[in-house]
Amino acid sequence: EVQLVESGGGLVQTGGSLRLSCAASGFPFSDRYMDWVRQAPGKGLEWVGRIRKKVNGYTTEYAASVKGRSTISRDDSKNSLYLQMSSLEIEDTAVYYCASTSQSDYSYSGYWGQGTLVTVSS
Amino acid sequence: AIRMTQSPSSLSASTGDRVTITCRASQDIRGYLVWYQQKPGKAPKLLISAASTLQSGVPSRFSGSGSGTDFSLTISSLQSEDFATYYCQQYLDYPLTFGGGTKVEIK
Repeated sequence: EVQLVESGGGLVQTGGSLRLSCAASGFPFSDRYMDWVRQAPGKGLEWVGRIRKKVNGYTTEYAASVKGRSTISRDDSKNSLYLQMSSLEIEDTAVYYCASTSQSDYSYSGYWGQGTLVTVSS
Repeated sequence: AIRMTQSPSSLSASTGDRVTITCRASQDIRGYLVWYQQKPGKAPKLLISAASTLQSGVPSRFSGSGSGTDFSLTISSLQSEDFATYYCQQYLDYPLTFGGGTKVEIK
């Protein structure tokens, strides 16, 4: 059974930083691209970014809204995905989901975690 | 970025009704479109990939169609468990983008 469990959310002040984690199990994590997607309270879904797998150099893609202040990384030995965010703004308040995709750029989020809430406050 | 426009943003329907949600892309995305269902407080669930491929375990009352810029999700006979918000997403190009969502409510 595929499981994705996010952690690391909480209350942070504007301008601060946060590192979210996602523990994966039940599928070949190292062989999958992985996504982060967020959802502000009462709003729609927003794709945050993606990390490719080792053979693709662990390269990343980001949404314009987080590019330059976010870093997605992974540790295949721990089946874990990370999202480091800095210079946090009120607008970054959201539930953050990690999601597994497949093995190419033409892929979508097939399995999702339950999400972790990040609240940015002044 | 490719803009995804869903309509309507909300609708009220009764159990047993046929419901259609549309999604329009700002440029040709061929068939690189998925549909998700989300219930309050839950993560999105993948319903349909590649515009029309029903995921395993998803009831056959759900169907997807379209190619290019115009797509639709149809629920042939709405059931109580289908009241939720539905999102389309294109995965042809980065940044991946979602439609604004369609909330299906009980009439």
